[in-house]
Amino acid sequence: EPEVTQTPSHQVTQMGQEVILRCVPISNHLYFYWYRQILGQKVEFLVSFYNNEISEKSEIFDDQFSVERPDGSNFTLKIRSTKLEDSAMYFCASSEAPKNIQYFGAGTRLSVL
Amino acid sequence: GQQVMQIPQYQHVQEGEDFTTYCNSSTTLSNIQWYKQRPGGHPVFLIQLVKSGEVKKQKRLTFQFGEAKKNSSLHITATQTTDVGTYFCAVGGGGGKLIFGQGTELSVKP
Repeated sequence: EPEVTQTPSHQVTQMGQEVILRCVPISNHLYFYWYRQILGQKVEFLVSFYNNEISEKSEIFDDQFSVERPDGSNFTLKIRSTKLEDSAMYFCASSEAPKNIQYFGAGTRLSVL
Repeated sequence: GQQVMQIPQYQHVQEGEDFTTYCNSSTTLSNIQWYKQRPGGHPVFLIQLVKSGEVKKQKRLTFQFGEAKKNSSLHITATQTTDVGTYFCAVGGGGGKLIFGQGTELSVKP
C-alpha cells in the first residue's frame, strides 16, 4: 500500500539552528500538509500546499517556517531558527483532493536543545 | 476559528467493556473524520461521516453523526488490548486542513 515517508525519524538540534524536515507524499496525491503534535497534546495544523503554493496556514506557521516542493517527489518543511518550543512531532500528510482522506507519515520527532 | 471539543480526555476500561468518545462543534459540519493514533505512532484514518444521522460500523466500532451535524461519537464494543491508543475526531477547514479534537486516550486493562 502506498505510504507517506518522512525523514529523519528523529532530529536533534541546537536552539537557533535551521532544520529541514523531509517528506515524500503518496505519488498521485496533489495536496500536502504539515501538522505538529507537542507531546501529549492534539495534532495541530501548520500548513497546506497545492500547486506549488501555500493554500492555508495557521498562526503557528510564522516567518520562521517555510515549505517547498523542490522536485516532483519531495515536500519539505524548514524551520529557520529553531526555538525550544518547536520541539514536537511533525507529521506530513497528503491527499488526492482537499476533502479526501489524508494519509499521514510516521513523523519526525524534533528535539531542540 | 473552527473548534471541536472532544470528551473524555482519558478512558480506562477493563478488557471486554465498552468505550465511547464524543465530539461536539458549535457550528454545523460538512463532514467529520475519525483517526486512531497508537502510542508512539501516527494518526491513521478510520472513517468519514458526511450525512445527517449517519451510522457506520467497522467490526466492533460504531460511528455516528448527529442529526444536526454538530456532534459525532465513536463507540467500541467489547474492547480488546489492541484498541489501545488515542482516538481523534477531525473536521475539515479551508485549504483542506484538518482541525483535530483533543483526543480521547483509551487504555485497556487485560
